[in-house]
Amino acid sequence: GNSVTQMEGPVTLSEEAFLTINCTYTATGYPSLFWYVQYPGEGLQLLLKATKADDKGSNKGFEATYRKETTSFHLEKGSVQVSDSAVYFCALSDLGAAGNKLTFGGGTRVLVKP
Amino acid sequence: NAGVTQTPKFQVLKTGQSMTLQCAQDMNHNSMYWYRQDPGMGLRLIYYSASEGTTDKGEVPNGYNVSRLNKREFSLRLESAAPSQTSVYFCAVWDRASGANVLTFGAGSRLTVL
Repeated sequence: GNSVTQMEGPVTLSEEAFLTINCTYTATGYPSLFWYVQYPGEGLQLLLKATKADDKGSNKGFEATYRKETTSFHLEKGSVQVSDSAVYFCALSDLGAAGNKLTFGGGTRVLVKP
Repeated sequence: NAGVTQTPKFQVLKTGQSMTLQCAQDMNHNSMYWYRQDPGMGLRLIYYSASEGTTDKGEVPNGYNVSRLNKREFSLRLESAAPSQTSVYFCAVWDRASGANVLTFGAGSRLTVL
């Protein structure tokens, strides 16, 4: 079945540092790929997505490129802020007979210190 | 989390008690989902409903039942709660509006089973 593997956290950074969160996936077919973010005490929000190979999703300074050859969708941000402290989830879509589903990775907690 | 409302936000149960988590959407989407979130395990799909009147099991359905009585509401019931069901539960809808094709989440319901 489909699966998503992302690096375990927590990841602790200083403000303005470069952030990378690795995500690799196993899937049949050509899934769409997503990054969701969860701020403390809140639900998950879509951060960005990519629907086909070589697509780059971007939002709020974050970027991720759909790499089919390496089955990866790594999240990057060039200069993090304290407000980026959150848990980040990589996910892929699974379109089955009963509709769409998302399969999530385990989440990576990021803590940005001033 | 506009458009997906979950109640209650917090609940404490004793082992063996029953309860129902409610989810309602005002987005007129067909597909609705229940996930649970546990530390280090990401989100796991419990049940989903592709349309009114249909439900399907997800990855971890044991110990739960669901009802999709109308397009707007999708409830999750624990008939006899167990400590292993202590978790944060998220309801979500599949948003196809304007080709978005993303999952939109509610704010979550934190359940503790003693």
